[in-house]
Amino acid sequence: AQSVTQLGSHVSVSEGALVLLRCNYSSSVPPYLFWYVQYPNQGLQLLLKYTTGATLVKGINGFEAEFKKSETSFHLTKPSAHMSDAAEYFCAVTSWYNQGGKLIFGQGTELSVKP
Amino acid sequence: NAGVTQTPKFRVLKTGQSMTLLCAQDMNHEYMYWYRQDPGMGLRLIHYSVGEGTTAKGEVPDGYNVSRLKKQNFLLGLESAAPSQTSVYFCASSWNMGQAFSNTGELFFGEGSRLTVL
Repeated sequence: AQSVTQLGSHVSVSEGALVLLRCNYSSSVPPYLFWYVQYPNQGLQLLLKYTTGATLVKGINGFEAEFKKSETSFHLTKPSAHMSDAAEYFCAVTSWYNQGGKLIFGQGTELSVKP
Repeated sequence: NAGVTQTPKFRVLKTGQSMTLLCAQDMNHEYMYWYRQDPGMGLRLIHYSVGEGTTAKGEVPDGYNVSRLKKQNFLLGLESAAPSQTSVYFCASSWNMGQAFSNTGELFFGEGSRLTVL
């Protein structure tokens, strides 16, 4: 079975500050990990993904995440927050062995950016 | 290129009424999914399909039925709506990971359907 835990349902940062959203996963097989972003009243948009290979992955809008197997973590970071980053962020896990390719989501973290 | 389209986008029902949400994708994806989103609970899988004519239960299937008569369409039905089914419903689709190494499980989402049951 797979699961995802996102630490902190709300995170608030100042514009220009570091963004750090935490995600820990549980998986008995090699995981594929994803970060999605959801802007108000919209669907989910893929930010970045890790499948195999390089453990530091870069995504859209200046975000990146590092897969750390020993810590079972996949934290999302951005060096400098922008007002437009305010949204809800979801971490998700699946695997090649997952029947139907089902994606298991965390509870979500709402990011607020203060001017 | 429309991607994943959901209809309707908003609906208000009375308890006991029935309705169907329609999802259509134009990316020739094998897999399709219905999730519901509730505050503080993330997205939970209701039902999914791995191909035309197939359906399977997800995490929270009770009170819902689905059908996949055509590859591009995935219907979600509520036979007798209850207030607990008030939620935002998302349809998603993806390629079959087993068909090609390049298929890595990414889901493509619709914009959601907001359902209120009074």
